[in-house]
Amino acid sequence: DAGVIQSPRHEVTEMGQEVTLRCKPISGHDYLFWYRQTMMRGLELLIYFNNNVPIDDSGMPEDRFSAKMPNASFSTLKIQPSEPRDSAVYFCASSEPFRDRDSYEQYFGPGTRLTVT
Amino acid sequence: SQKIEQNSEALNIQEGKTATLTCNYTNYSPAYLQWYRQDPGRGPVFLLLIRENEKEKRKERLKVTFDTTLKQSLFHITASQPADSATYLCAQMDSSYKLIFGSGTRLLVRP
Repeated sequence: DAGVIQSPRHEVTEMGQEVTLRCKPISGHDYLFWYRQTMMRGLELLIYFNNNVPIDDSGMPEDRFSAKMPNASFSTLKIQPSEPRDSAVYFCASSEPFRDRDSYEQYFGPGTRLTVT
Repeated sequence: SQKIEQNSEALNIQEGKTATLTCNYTNYSPAYLQWYRQDPGRGPVFLLLIRENEKEKRKERLKVTFDTTLKQSLFHITASQPADSATYLCAQMDSSYKLIFGSGTRLLVRP
């Protein structure tokens, strides 16, 4: 398996523009997580899905952020409108079904580095 | 609210020595603690998980301990190598499967 795939790897945009980040989880994984990482705040969970359904979005900073998972192999994180303070590395991660109680590890993608000017 | 705290200062050690990293948590004891490794420009990679009722877990040169009295987990790398240089993240996991990460500790192993 190719692992978790994210695109684009780098995104530079101007304030006010819409940004869409994409993620393809590992096949067979039924949990998908979106994180944001900054020097100031570290790695923060934004939202996670189970079987394509959003379970907890309490980490989503504002209404400008939205996430969808239309099917088991694709998810998007959208920021509209973007602001300079949204500049960060955004990671997507997936994990196996938790039927096996030893399988709690999360597999992270390479991240998307977002710069909003 | 629950916090996971790691030493923000880099740990600089000589090759061959044992590296020991600390993770402290406040308030309640998490059901699980996980340790991840992160290299520059990459996503975190899972290393070890330890449960609340486990004292110690080992994997090759890695060892993790969990002390619920001290509210602390220690992460050890024995016979350290320059290739072990990275940032190590501690994360707590509760019953909802959410991970709360510490800020990470950077380890530098000198040849």
